[in-house]
Amino acid sequence: GENVEQHPSTLSVQEGDSAVIKCTYSDSASNYFPWYKQELGKRPQLIIDIRSNVGEKKDQRIAVTLNKTAKHFSLHITETQPEDSAVYFCAARDTGGFKTIFGAGTRLFVKA
Amino acid sequence: DAGITQSPRHKVTETGTPVTLRCHQTENHRYMYWYRQDPGHGLRLIHYSYGVKDTDKGEVSDGYSVSRSKTEDFLLTLESATSSQTSVYFCAISESRTGSSNQPQHFGDGTRLSIL
Repeated sequence: GENVEQHPSTLSVQEGDSAVIKCTYSDSASNYFPWYKQELGKRPQLIIDIRSNVGEKKDQRIAVTLNKTAKHFSLHITETQPEDSAVYFCAARDTGGFKTIFGAGTRLFVKA
Repeated sequence: DAGITQSPRHKVTETGTPVTLRCHQTENHRYMYWYRQDPGHGLRLIHYSYGVKDTDKGEVSDGYSVSRSKTEDFLLTLESATSSQTSVYFCAISESRTGSSNQPQHFGDGTRLSIL
């Protein structure tokens, strides 16, 4: 079955710097890759997603890139702000669309 | 926010007792999911449903059962709770669109379950 690995597990950056979180997946049939942000005690919330027919997608300060050949995808946050501090999860969904497998999460700290 | 209500929000119970968690949606979405969240493991899929009375197992289904008798409700049951099932449980929903099954999932607020 699908396996998703996420790195790093913890990331600390200075306000205004960029943050990059990387994920790899094992199932070449996966074709949908969402990213979720979870603040302490809250629900995971979708922040951006990308489908396998696209190599990059951007939404304001957030961008995601996908390399299907290497089976990895990354989240890029530019001009980080303290409110970006949270746990971020990557995920991969197979072509059947039923099972979404999540990475273990990255705890991002943005220091003011 | 998507119309998803989980109940109860918190529960403490003893080992060996049955527990049922409820997920109720007002979005009329076809797909519903139950996840558990534990430190270091992210979100792991327990069971999912792709329609009324249509359910299947996820990654960590042992010790859990589900039922979906109507579109809006998806129940998760721990027949005989164990301490290893202490966790935060999240329900999620996603819709179905013709030509694409890859629609984003939206999560409920979670149920914190402690089994002593």
